[in-house]
Amino acid sequence: NAGVMQNPRHLVRRRGQEARLRCSPMKGHSHVYWYRQLPEEGLKFMVYLQKENIIDESGMPKERFSAEFPKEGPSILRIQQVVRGDSAAYFCASSLTQGARNEQFFGPGTRLTVL
Amino acid sequence: GIQVEQSPPDLILQEGANSTLRCNFSDSVNNLQWFHQNPWGQLINLFYIPSGTKQNGRLSATTVATERYSLLYISSSQTTDSGVYFCAVLDNAGGTSYGKLTFGQGTILTVHP
Repeated sequence: NAGVMQNPRHLVRRRGQEARLRCSPMKGHSHVYWYRQLPEEGLKFMVYLQKENIIDESGMPKERFSAEFPKEGPSILRIQQVVRGDSAAYFCASSLTQGARNEQFFGPGTRLTVL
Repeated sequence: GIQVEQSPPDLILQEGANSTLRCNFSDSVNNLQWFHQNPWGQLINLFYIPSGTKQNGRLSATTVATERYSLLYISSSQTTDSGVYFCAVLDNAGGTSYGKLTFGQGTILTVHP
């Protein structure tokens, strides 16, 4: 009964490097969501994906951030040329359905630190 | 967009006490969830409760969707209940935005032994 898996749990990058965060949804779930929690702030929606499709990316920063959920393999959140302001906890969630009945289950998060 | 407000922002209790956390939201919602973020940062699903009342052990929740609020009750609190409690609602803006949970700012609960 595996839940949502995220790796790595902790990631340290220097300014200018790339960060790749991975998320494997719960078994049978095909809807994936990414959220970001900045220090001392609540969680903010970033992007909603289904297999091979981006459904809603209204919360994604316009530059340097991208997300994918390929037909095979985990969902990837990619941050290029990281800056100190990207330091945060990044959570992935998954759901079985979309719409009104999409209870979302969260992974343990990846804590990104940019030096 | 929808606004979610939680109260109180901070709550300090002695072990064994009861408490009520409140979540107000500014528009109609299709989905409401309560989460506990433990001191290690993990988000634990507590309730999926768009309406009605549910109970799980010492925790229970009630959502009155027509009046746009939800309550989380914690009875006989324990030190392990410490952490941040978040309410989150599914933005019913229509279109494809059926995935966006909007979170409140949370209630920080500290339970002393």
